[in-house]
Amino acid sequence: EVQLVESGGGFVQPGGSLRLSCAASGFTFSSYWMSWVRQAPGKGLEWVANIKYDGGEEYYVDSVKGRFTVSRDNAKNSLFLQLSSLRAEDTAMYYCAKITWDQDFDYWGQGTLVTVSS
Amino acid sequence: EIVMTQSPATLSVSPGERATLSCRASQSVSSNLAWYQQKPGQAPRLLMYGASTRATGIPARFSGSGSGTEFTLTISSLQSEDFAIYHCQQYNNWPYTFGQGTKLEIK
Repeated sequence: EVQLVESGGGFVQPGGSLRLSCAASGFTFSSYWMSWVRQAPGKGLEWVANIKYDGGEEYYVDSVKGRFTVSRDNAKNSLFLQLSSLRAEDTAMYYCAKITWDQDFDYWGQGTLVTVSS
Repeated sequence: EIVMTQSPATLSVSPGERATLSCRASQSVSSNLAWYQQKPGQAPRLLMYGASTRATGIPARFSGSGSGTEFTLTISSLQSEDFAIYHCQQYNNWPYTFGQGTKLEIK
């Protein structure tokens, strides 16, 4: 059974940093692209970042470029998102998702909440 | 950036009836379109990919159609567990983008 479990969310002041983690199991993690998607309270979904199965390519939405960094550790079946220079508008539930060969997102974690406020 | 527009924002339908949800792309996304279902307090769940292929375990009452810029998700006979928010997403071009969602509520 595929499982994705996020952690690392919390309350942080504007300008601060957090590191989110996603522990994966039930599939060959090193063979799949992975993604982070966020959802602000009461709002729709926003794709944040993708990372290639070997970590060799990364893609970001413009609003987080230069502030967020996606990475992975295939030996530990783990995905990460380093959040820096956080702003109030980064407040959201952050989900990790497994990407299929067709590039849709077939499994999602339950999310970890990031709140940016002074 | 491709803008995805879903309509209506809210759809009120009675159990047992048919629901039709629309998603429009600001430029062609070919058939690289997915639909997700999200219930309160839960993560999204993949329903449809490639515009018209049901994901594993999705009941046959769900069907998808369209290509290019116009897409439709149809639920043929609504069950109580189908009342949720539905999101469309294009994965044809970076950045991948989602629609704002359609809330399907009980009439």
